[in-house]
Amino acid sequence: DGGITQSPKYLFRKEGQNVTLSCEQNLNHDAMYWYRQDPGQGLRLIYYSQIVNDFQKGDIAEGYSVSREKKESFPLTVTSAQKNPTAFYLCASSMGTGGASYEQYFGPGTRLTVT
Amino acid sequence: QKEVEQNSGPLSVPEGAIASLNCTYSDRGSQSFFWYRQYSGKSPELIMSIYSNGDKEDGRFTAQLNKASQYVSLLIRDSQPSDSATYLCAVNGRGRRALTFGSGTRLQVQP
Repeated sequence: DGGITQSPKYLFRKEGQNVTLSCEQNLNHDAMYWYRQDPGQGLRLIYYSQIVNDFQKGDIAEGYSVSREKKESFPLTVTSAQKNPTAFYLCASSMGTGGASYEQYFGPGTRLTVT
Repeated sequence: QKEVEQNSGPLSVPEGAIASLNCTYSDRGSQSFFWYRQYSGKSPELIMSIYSNGDKEDGRFTAQLNKASQYVSLLIRDSQPSDSATYLCAVNGRGRRALTFGSGTRLQVQP
């Protein structure tokens, strides 16, 4: 089955700790994205990558870091510098960018709670 | 002005009625428009895409695009309680190879 997996589903961390969220896709998509969603709000773009070994900051990149060493994988690290890390984190992928290639498909999400 | 604007709702319609969801966007250069459905606690699911002016129908869903007025809408015919969810509008913006999402409209279909 083709799809996007995120792990873990729920994650609890103490303040001051870095944490890495996993995102893997087997859709052979070139582009991958990370979003953050807070209660009652829309999706805000953290980082995106159009190709291996390249990524761009989104609207709220401060306190986050990513890597794209493999086409299938786009892990997100939430660092201790992120002031309000508790949120629902969503990973998505698309074939590429432009026209229908923008169609994004989402993983199930990781709910991060930092106390 | 937000790049993509939606009325947060809730929009309440009776079962069997037509639900009409609207979205406006600010970037005249946008060319790709999407509607996602998100159930509470779940991730968004793509339900419609539209790229040219006019209507696009898929089952009970119709997407409408008017680039001159910079709005895109989603009609849901014969609304069912299972359609109760938040609907997110997404648009590609010129200058960035990623989608911008609206904050969503919550739809409630009353049995």
